[in-house]
Amino acid sequence: QQQVKQSPQSLIVQKGGISIINCAYENTAFDYFPWYQQFPGKGPALLIAIRPDVSEKKEGRFTISFNKSAKQFSLHIMDSQPGDSATYFCAAVTPLNAGNNRKLIWGLGTSLAVNP
Amino acid sequence: DSGVTQTPKHLITATGQRVTLRCSPRSGDLSVYWYQQSLDQGLQFLIQYYNGEERAKGNILERFSAQQFPDLHSELNLSSLELGDSALYFCASSVDLQGYGYTFGSGTRLTVV
Repeated sequence: QQQVKQSPQSLIVQKGGISIINCAYENTAFDYFPWYQQFPGKGPALLIAIRPDVSEKKEGRFTISFNKSAKQFSLHIMDSQPGDSATYFCAAVTPLNAGNNRKLIWGLGTSLAVNP
Repeated sequence: DSGVTQTPKHLITATGQRVTLRCSPRSGDLSVYWYQQSLDQGLQFLIQYYNGEERAKGNILERFSAQQFPDLHSELNLSSLELGDSALYFCASSVDLQGYGYTFGSGTRLTVV
């Protein structure tokens, strides 16, 4: 059961364009939504994250839009550059469980290619 | 350099063999997570340790085991290897159990032939 559904699986954008990756979740108890960026041969790295009490968060060219009622959130990359070519993962963090632990639930990833 | 060190970077071994992957977490991080990443799948969570204790298990096969030592480094042991175990294995660490920021290592690429 995929609790976080990510789309599209792959995306090709021209340099200077806007890249948009979408994620939908099911569990309304999730309370933190990070995006990770992974370059080939490297581990994922935290890119930007948002809490559900905020509708938008912007860091440079990267913006998360969050729609709590629709249970959806998306990553927008403005003025996309060839150096942004990577795999992007959305994720959601579960609330604390009985063991005082949280889990990260991952989307399946989106492979982004930005053409020069 | 993320601060999470994984060794070896590459490993080629035969079916049926046993290997050990090693991870040193970022300084100050108490929690270690192991992930498997195959070409056709995303990040598959295997297991989590916190300060030496197992805290969560994911889709980890019985042939796989892990531990975290008193110095907080962790090892993932893979035995009776099969061709399908070929994958990238990542270790990540975080300071606590809150899940708000994982730091990943560069991974170990395992090839089973």
